[in-house]
Amino acid sequence: NAGVMQNPRHLVRRRGQEARLRCSPMKGHSHVYWYRQLPEEGLKFMVYLQKENIIDESGMPKERFSAEFPKEGPSILRIQQVVRGDSAAYFCASSPLGQGHGYTFGSGTRLTVV
Amino acid sequence: TQLLEQSPQFLSIQEGENLTVYCNSSSVFSSLQWYRQEPGEGPVLLVTVVTGGEVKKLKRLTFQFGDARKDSSLHITAAQPGDTGLYLCAGGYGGSQGNLIFGKGTKLSVKP
Repeated sequence: NAGVMQNPRHLVRRRGQEARLRCSPMKGHSHVYWYRQLPEEGLKFMVYLQKENIIDESGMPKERFSAEFPKEGPSILRIQQVVRGDSAAYFCASSPLGQGHGYTFGSGTRLTVV
Repeated sequence: TQLLEQSPQFLSIQEGENLTVYCNSSSVFSSLQWYRQEPGEGPVLLVTVVTGGEVKKLKRLTFQFGDARKDSSLHITAAQPGDTGLYLCAGGYGGSQGNLIFGKGTKLSVKP
């Protein structure tokens, strides 16, 4: 019974390249959330998705960032034209019925922009 | 903007000591959750509290949700080195949708 699977665990990109982060939620979970964590900072909400729908993207930067959760396959967080300030740990979480029931987090993807 | 303030930010104690960490907000939350995060890993859910005044126990950990649902505390009895980690509180503000607001955490170190 696998938990939330994120890959890759570590990703290095040069400035200007694209970064694609993948997240497969726990089996039976239809709610997916993406958070970003900077050193010494808390987890900052980015986007909340259900299958084929973006429910809340109020935490997403307006440019270069996008997310999807297709009918088949994992959720993808895409960062175009990465800059050094995008370096962070990106965590995906899933839940069965929304935030009141607690999240299961993946181990994260650590993005480093050089 | 809803904020969750956690205190203390850092805590270093000896094995066997008791400790309490706090999570405070000016906003009312419909639910509050506590997570523990270890270096290089994602947070792991410890408990969810939803009713004002609610107290939940998990072995040596006791969680309390304030009567007004604006604050919470986590008390650890007889701390052990395995309790070392970053303790995060997170508040939800209603409904089955929406995201959790996380505090910055308390970094606990328990020395043998």
